[in-house]
Amino acid sequence: DVKVTQSSRYLVKRTGEKVFLECVQDMDHENMFWYRQDPGLGLRLIYFSYDVKMKEKGDIPEGYSVSREKKERFSLILESASTNQTSMYLCASSDPIWKTVASGYEQYFGPGTRLTVT
Amino acid sequence: QKEVEQNSGPLSVPEGAIASLNCTYSDRVSQSFFWYRQYSGKSPELIMSIYSNGDKEDGRFTAQLNKASQYVSLLIRDSQPSDSATYLCAVNTGFQKLVFGTGTRLLVSP
Repeated sequence: DVKVTQSSRYLVKRTGEKVFLECVQDMDHENMFWYRQDPGLGLRLIYFSYDVKMKEKGDIPEGYSVSREKKERFSLILESASTNQTSMYLCASSDPIWKTVASGYEQYFGPGTRLTVT
Repeated sequence: QKEVEQNSGPLSVPEGAIASLNCTYSDRVSQSFFWYRQYSGKSPELIMSIYSNGDKEDGRFTAQLNKASQYVSLLIRDSQPSDSATYLCAVNTGFQKLVFGTGTRLLVSP
């Protein structure tokens, strides 16, 4: 079974703090993703990475950065946390699309981190 | 126009009934389609995927795809209270990303 783990289930931080959210997958997937999920807005892609040290901006990258030094680990960084970054953060991983001609490119999610910024 | 649209619900069905969840998408080149189930406070869990027109059955779940109409649906037979959750439709258009709908909340009453 695919296993995606996230460093914390719940996190409370103060405005202005630097926040690190970590994600680890054990399926040797090339692709990893960070989403945030807010009521009424659904899942929104923040960043994704298709290889070590490679990253691409998603739909809402402002205020965030990412790091991928090892294939299995993808970190999301909030440089200076703000209250509007209070959200559920979800990490996902998948094989690259060229490997999934038969399977159709499924993404698997970690348990999520509920971040509150006060 | 949103790329993937779902009725937010809630869709209420009695236990034992068939629940029908619908999703439309705007990009005609979409290639693969997924249904995720998400319980309150939990992360999405993949339950069905479908890649070609027609029906795909897995236990009590049936996914239906009609590419001409740009429509994908999920049927849940013999609905149980444990099926109460939000169901997310996701579409891949050939790039390395999925586009998600905002989800339909399903309530199954005993």
